[in-house]
Amino acid sequence: AQSVSQHNHHVILSEAASLELGCNYSYGGTVNLFWYVQYPGQHLQLLLKYFSGDPLVKGIKGFEAEFIKSKFSFNLRKPSVQWSDTAEYFCAVLFNAGGTSYGKLTFGQGTILTVHP
Amino acid sequence: ETGVTQTPRHLVMGMTNKKSLKCEQHLGHNAMYWYKQSAKKPLELMFVYSLEERVENNSVPSRFSPECPNSSHLFLHLHTLQPEDSALYLCASSQAFTPDTQYFGPGTRLTVL
Repeated sequence: AQSVSQHNHHVILSEAASLELGCNYSYGGTVNLFWYVQYPGQHLQLLLKYFSGDPLVKGIKGFEAEFIKSKFSFNLRKPSVQWSDTAEYFCAVLFNAGGTSYGKLTFGQGTILTVHP
Repeated sequence: ETGVTQTPRHLVMGMTNKKSLKCEQHLGHNAMYWYKQSAKKPLELMFVYSLEERVENNSVPSRFSPECPNSSHLFLHLHTLQPEDSALYLCASSQAFTPDTQYFGPGTRLTVL
C-alpha cells in the first residue's frame, strides 16, 4: 500500500537554528508532493509543492524542499527558524493513478515543531 | 467569504443524535473531500466527490453519510456515532481531472459523548 512517513514526531529548536524535516513515501510511480502547515488554531495551509521540473522548490516564509526521486524523499528545510514557525507540518503525496478524476492525497503523521525564542 | 468554509466549527453530540456538517468552497473547484484528523494519527481520507459524483468511499462506516448537492457544497450527515468518532473533520476542494493542490477548510471539532 502507498504510504508516507515523517521521521520525527516532535522537533524542538531555538530561534535561528536550521531545520530539516524528513518525509519519505513508498511508491515507484509518478507523484506530486506537498508540505502543509497547521499553525495553532488555524487550518491547514499549503507551504509548498512539487509537480515537475526543478526538484528544489521554494515555498512561503523561506521554506524549501528537495525532491530526491532515487530516495523517495521530499525533505523540508529552512536555514533559520523563527518563533512564528511553531506549528505542525504535514507531508502529503498525491499518488497519480492516471486517468482518475480526482487526487487521492496521502498524509504523513505530522511533525510538531516548537521554536523557542 | 473566500476559500473553504465549514460550519459548525465545534459540535458536541450524543450517540443517538443526528447532525450534519457543512462545507462550502468559493474557489470554483469541482472536486471535494472529507478527511478525519484524529490525535496522533495521519489525516484519513473519508470520501471524495468529483463533479458531484462520489468516487471514493474509504471504508467509512455507514453512520457517516456524505452528500454533494452541487460542486460548491458538501455535507457529512452523522447518526448514531461512537465516542471514537470524536475528531476534527476537514473538508477540502481542488480541481478534478488534473493533479492539483487541495485547499482545506478550518474543520469541525466533533465530540461524541
